[in-house]
Amino acid sequence: SAVISQKPSRDICQRGTSLTIQCQVDSQVTMMFWYRQQPGQSLTLIATANQGSEATYESGFVIDKFPISRPNLTFSTLTVSNMSPEDSSIYLCSVERLATDEQFFGPGTRLTVL
Amino acid sequence: LAKTTQPISMDSYEGQEVNITCSHNNIATNDYITWYQQFPSQGPRFIIQGYKTKVTNEVASLFIPADRKSSTLSLPRVSLSDTAVYYCLVGDRSGGYNKLIFGAGTRLAVHP
Repeated sequence: SAVISQKPSRDICQRGTSLTIQCQVDSQVTMMFWYRQQPGQSLTLIATANQGSEATYESGFVIDKFPISRPNLTFSTLTVSNMSPEDSSIYLCSVERLATDEQFFGPGTRLTVL
Repeated sequence: LAKTTQPISMDSYEGQEVNITCSHNNIATNDYITWYQQFPSQGPRFIIQGYKTKVTNEVASLFIPADRKSSTLSLPRVSLSDTAVYYCLVGDRSGGYNKLIFGAGTRLAVHP
């Protein structure tokens, strides 16, 4: 299995500011994924990050709002830009273990925007 | 993308077997069926994956009929700690990697 950590675990931010969430994996992985889970809801895939290339965004999510970096095989960041209260959510990263299609999820970052 | 449909919620009691059925009528030939479990304030956790027939591990069993248009997750002898949300997913590897699209999930409540 993969051990995934996220920083920060939670934050309270003001409207109009930006927050960068870090995701660290204890082993090298090819694909990393970023999800959003709003209170009481299911997970929604934001984007897929492959090392060395631009992230691929899902419908409804754009790079200007959610820029992603993937500088190496164990690390990625997601920035939530120009935040509004609607961005209040839990943001989770996950990684895929090859050959099994199994994904491992981080503990999530709980973001509250005032 | 294959869409999944599963019951919104289920109730059970300790020691009972729980079966959660998921329908995925548009599943593609190369798609696998995967189930995840999520506890409050935690990320989802992989439970089991299968392609057809029956798969069993130390946690659960997965039954998939020949037409693969549905699947059933079976949890034997549940305990209070099995109270969680269970997601049925059908993977999409069209982009060269497994893109998981989560449905609403089934909220399982296990009672004493």
